[in-house]
Amino acid sequence: RKEVEQDPGPFNVPEGATVAFNCTYSNSASQSFFWYRQDCRKEPKLLMSVYSSGNEDGRFTAQLNRASQYISLLIRDSKLSDSATYLCVVRDGGATNKLIFGTGTLLAVQP
Amino acid sequence: GAVVSQHPSWVICKSGTSVKIECRSLDFQATTMFWYRQFPKQSLMLMATSNEGSKATYEQGVEKDKFLINHASLTLSTLTVTSAHPEDSSFYICSALRRGTSGAYEQYFGPGTRLTVT
Repeated sequence: RKEVEQDPGPFNVPEGATVAFNCTYSNSASQSFFWYRQDCRKEPKLLMSVYSSGNEDGRFTAQLNRASQYISLLIRDSKLSDSATYLCVVRDGGATNKLIFGTGTLLAVQP
Repeated sequence: GAVVSQHPSWVICKSGTSVKIECRSLDFQATTMFWYRQFPKQSLMLMATSNEGSKATYEQGVEKDKFLINHASLTLSTLTVTSAHPEDSSFYICSALRRGTSGAYEQYFGPGTRLTVT
């Protein structure tokens, strides 16, 4: 089983749609969780951290369920510029600060 | 914000040669840097953790004699791919660890180096 698993995608949605990505992680000792965005042939960039109470940043909402070891990202009112690969990332539970990346979900927002 | 640079951004080399990739933290000191590799349509895979002044820690399955890491200063880590083969062609990305104002550690990624071995 992979340490971080995501929806396989790709997701093709029209502009203005709401889209949700899911992610599960296997290490119950993991402490920190993130969503990164990666554009084609570019490095990943932090989109938002995910907190236990859930958090929102504009059109983006992240949720964490520690009991189910499940993380989600909701994007409302999708824009063309949201087209990218979204990576679910978990920080290793030890003291190493290593990040474990999911395989990513490709989002294509259509005009 | 924290800036991490990589050089070169892309390189083409012949099979059997060695290639050095530099990763620099431009506006902060990083005692820890990470090297990742990403093959097409796959996720980032951690290769090794680079620690300033000490030996790198390699992930399982990564050959330390093939991927030489040197972290000689607080702002520079280098990855040398020795005796490169076509299967080493990949996107190599580094990140540098920085402690934020909240006390939490954050990773800042370089722009990546695309290596093609012919």
